[in-house]
Amino acid sequence: GQQLNQSPQSMFIQEGEDVSMNCTSSSIFNTWLWYKQDPGEGPVLLIALYKAGELTSNGRLTAQFGITRKDSFLNISASIPSDVGIYFCAGLLYNNDMRFGAGTRLTVKP
Amino acid sequence: EAQVTQNPRYLITVTGKKLTVTCSQNMNHEYMSWYRQDPGLGLRQIYYSMNVEVTDKGDVPEGYKVSRKEKRNFPLILESPSPNQTSLYFCASSSYPRDRGLNGYTFGSGTRLTVV
Repeated sequence: GQQLNQSPQSMFIQEGEDVSMNCTSSSIFNTWLWYKQDPGEGPVLLIALYKAGELTSNGRLTAQFGITRKDSFLNISASIPSDVGIYFCAGLLYNNDMRFGAGTRLTVKP
Repeated sequence: EAQVTQNPRYLITVTGKKLTVTCSQNMNHEYMSWYRQDPGLGLRQIYYSMNVEVTDKGDVPEGYKVSRKEKRNFPLILESPSPNQTSLYFCASSSYPRDRGLNGYTFGSGTRLTVV
């Protein structure tokens, strides 16, 4: 089935740096979601986006629903060690199918 | 505490030996789903269930079975496991299919399966 193209696959950054990751697709989505997966745990929802152009923040996290409805990005400002994990984007298609990106593995060096 | 509980967390088995991974949710959710997570491929849906006695194939259903006899339980059955089913499995639920977009899924903690 249709998968989302998530990039980068992995990131190694210094504590305090900002992080940016994105998801793109050839399909139009009516909802974008961003999840974080801590080591040994299941994904947990961080941010949900419902309208094209929407910009939503959750603490140091900011995500945007692309104006074309085919992409979304997630920014993390001033990273800290507990930001380590795998970040997944997910998109809900108009037929109610949910698609996931392959994930971005984030490593934060103290 | 609202949660999705999977068991076991870790399982090593041999090819061909039938196994069941259990999944239970205490949130009275209608919608439940199974995913497998493989490196570089993200989460791929195996089966899902819109409600009791209603199940449908996802993207990668081959080699798996599910059942939904009660609302809270959604076991994943591997009748004859093979090494290519070695993976990390997640069960997930939401209050209604469309609520996956509103509130997302609640995921279990995962089951790491190794088939030798």
